[in-house]
Amino acid sequence: DTGVSQDPRHKITKRGQNVTFRCDPISEHNRLYWYRQTLGQGPEFLTYFQNEAQLEKSRLLSDRFSAERPKGSFSTLEIQRTEQGDSAMYLCASSKDRGAQPQHFGDGTRLSIL
Amino acid sequence: QKEVEQNSGPLSVPEGAIASLNCTYSDRGSQSFFWYRQYSGKSPELIMFIYSNGDKEDGRFTAQLNKASQYVSLLIRDSQPSDSATYLCAVNRGNQGGKLIFGQGTELSVKP
Repeated sequence: DTGVSQDPRHKITKRGQNVTFRCDPISEHNRLYWYRQTLGQGPEFLTYFQNEAQLEKSRLLSDRFSAERPKGSFSTLEIQRTEQGDSAMYLCASSKDRGAQPQHFGDGTRLSIL
Repeated sequence: QKEVEQNSGPLSVPEGAIASLNCTYSDRGSQSFFWYRQYSGKSPELIMFIYSNGDKEDGRFTAQLNKASQYVSLLIRDSQPSDSATYLCAVNRGNQGGKLIFGQGTELSVKP
């Protein structure tokens, strides 16, 4: 089966612009997760969906960040009014929904803010 | 105190040796434990997961869990240069899925 797909792979934008990333999970996976990773650190949780329901959102996530999964399939993560500190790798993962199933990651979207 | 702690390394071992990677966690209610391998510039790749106390073996990899000591480890036998990567320990608090809490990762270097 195909893995988690993320688009774009790289995004370079100017500070203050809005950006949107897309994630397509593994087809039979109902859970979808977004993480952010900066150099030298482990991934940091942002938010997670079970089907179309957003079940948890990190308290560290500013209101400039929003995520959707309208039909329970692909998801989008939007960052409004980007700041230098938003530069990071944005990772999407998916898993099955029975118990604590392992999460499988996509290749990520690397965001660079100029 | 960080929720999940790992030595950042680098840990250097000769080819063919056993590499031992360690991780401690602070939440005693944690139920599920995962090891990911991450090559430079790439995304994390699942290596092992373990839910019960004791050892779990998969090929050259063995995960060890001690919930009383809040400690999980990964042993890599017959280490190869291709094992050189950052190894991330991740913890899930419940047993119903949800977010993973990651350590900062341990960089492993296997010298030929």
